[in-house]
Amino acid sequence: GQQVMQIPQYQHVQEGEDFTTYCNSSTTLSNIQWYKQRPGGHPVFLIQLVKSGEVKKQKRLTFQFGEAKKNSSLHITATQTTDVGTYFCAGLRNNRLAFGKGNQVVVIP
Amino acid sequence: EPEVTQTPSHQVTQMGQEVILRCVPISNHLYFYWYRQILGQKVEFLVSFYNNEISEKSEIFDDQFSVERPDGSNFTLKIRSTKLEDSAMYFCASSEALRSGSLGYTFGSGTRLTVV
Repeated sequence: GQQVMQIPQYQHVQEGEDFTTYCNSSTTLSNIQWYKQRPGGHPVFLIQLVKSGEVKKQKRLTFQFGEAKKNSSLHITATQTTDVGTYFCAGLRNNRLAFGKGNQVVVIP
Repeated sequence: EPEVTQTPSHQVTQMGQEVILRCVPISNHLYFYWYRQILGQKVEFLVSFYNNEISEKSEIFDDQFSVERPDGSNFTLKIRSTKLEDSAMYFCASSEALRSGSLGYTFGSGTRLTVV
């Protein structure tokens, strides 16, 4: 079945620093979506990437979709305490949106 | 901002009992989903539903699970004979289109199911 893998699983990030989280799929994806889940909350949609090599920015967040449409990354600059949470990538293949295990981010003030 | 509403927020049930988890998707959305998340783990796909029928289901969604859209607004997940390992947070989600456009899936706040 479709596997979406995320690395790292956990990150401790100093406030003000940058970090990147990566997502890899075993199969080519129609699109990739990123979600953020705050502790005790539900997944909240951040962005969708569709085209090969696509790059999208949302303020301090930069999302990238690989040329082969099998991997993606999320880069956050100047981390703030509000960035705490788990970042999930989710790959859409056929009719199923499959989530990775997530990258749990702890921000150190 | 439109929301997906789930009730109850927390349900405790005895092993072997049936539970029904309720969801009201966003009114103009056409696709509905159930996911579950065991504490601290990933969000797992259970089932997708479109045009009053299941469009896809996962290996987890076996005969003890069923979904229904009994009227124009509710979308329910029934677990027939609950097991301890069914304890999890169950999320309902909806989307405008299968490919979800630019808005992704909208998730509800979840129902925490505890089987004792």
